[in-house]
Parts: sequence; C-alpha cells; structure tokens
Amino acid sequence: QSVLTQPPSVSGAPGQTITISCTGTSSNIGAGFHVHWYQHLPGTAPKLLIYDNTNRPSGVPDRFSGSKSGTSASLAITGLQAEDEADYYCQSSDTSLGGSRVFGGGTKLAVL
Amino acid sequence: QVQLVQSGAEVKKPGASVKITCKASAYTFNIYTFHWVRRAPGRGLEWMGWINTGSGDTKYSQDFQGRLTITRNTSASTTYMELSSLRSEDTAQYYCTRDSPRNLYFKLWGQGTLVTVSS
Repeated sequence: QSVLTQPPSVSGAPGQTITISCTGTSSNIGAGFHVHWYQHLPGTAPKLLIYDNTNRPSGVPDRFSGSKSGTSASLAITGLQAEDEADYYCQSSDTSLGGSRVFGGGTKLAVL
Repeated sequence: QVQLVQSGAEVKKPGASVKITCKASAYTFNIYTFHWVRRAPGRGLEWMGWINTGSGDTKYSQDFQGRLTITRNTSASTTYMELSSLRSEDTAQYYCTRDSPRNLYFKLWGQGTLVTVSS
C-alpha cells in the first residue's frame, strides 16, 4: 500500500490527452511538500518529468504538465505519442515518516 | 559530465547480503543527499533510504529497518547500499539517486544494478 495513491492504469489513443492523479494526505502533499513526476521504463533509469508541482526540466516536451491542489496532484499528457507508453510515478516527502521520500504506486500508460 | 555509476549485477542466495556501490563524478559530493530506490518485478518504485553525505546521517524506510545499511566514503565520492537477509522478493533493479536540501526531487540517477536472489 503506497503512501500516495495513483490509478493502476490509464490508456488513450495517439493524439489524445490523459491525466494521472496522485492523492496524498495532510502529512505529505497537503503539508505543502512539492510533488514530482517520473517516467520509467523497466531496465532504464527513471526520468524526471515534472518537479516542484509544475516545472519541466529542460528537454521535457511541453506536452507534459503538472498541477497540485490541496492533498492531490495531477500529471497531464497532451498529444499522446506511442513513445509515451511507460510507467509514471508521483513522489513527495512525508512528515509522519520523518522526512522520508514517498512514491505513488505507479500508473501504467497504454497508448492504444 | 556529472554522473552516478553503480556496480554490476549480483546473484545471491537467500539469507545472504549484497552491497552495491554508487560513485559520483564531476561535482561536489558532500552537498547532496543520496538515496536508494528499487523496482522489483511487477511492483512500483520503492524508496529505501537516504544518507546525508556531509554528516553521514541516515534515514531508512520502515520496510527495510534492520536489514538496510547505507554508508559513504567522501574521499572516494562513493555511497554504498547493503541489504542483508535477502529473500526472493528482494530481486529487483536498485538505483542510486540524489537530491539536495532545497530541491527534493531526483534528477540524476545511476544506471541501476540488478540483484537476483535465487537458491
């Protein structure tokens, strides 16, 4: 059971828009900690997509965007491409765990 | 070029221990906090623990308390992750990564080390 809750899977057709939710509590996202998003293909290193809720590192397409409100955050991907098929994770910190970092359970994106 | 380079794949028997290294290059080592993250087959990313490379302070996930030890050698710009009492469920890809006190996200990652636990 992950501290941050994500849907196990989402899917969309090429060109469509999908969103992935990340729900936390008052001890992590609701406590004001930023939310970060990663893209992961097994066997490779995770890739930072969004940091501090809404910011994109250089090189990440603007098709990826993040938002945060209250105890939840979301990742949106517009103009879906086949190469976006991967696992996506949100990450934050948690005061009840003494400053530990926490990941969501992950969401598998299928591009139909 | 800034990078984190991990040691190679390991095969261990149940009950054994494994120690993985993560060597940092091309930047000031001890201003960052190093973390270890793993991904087991069929499971998601799992945060394991961190070490403050300046002070040596550590913090471990409760899921690994008593089995996990993270250390560092500042002169070698290297951190180490040792996991003991291995079981088959510890078969996973293990990654080192880093963040900093002002930027609590993981931008730079090691390439990963596959640990296989099998009798």
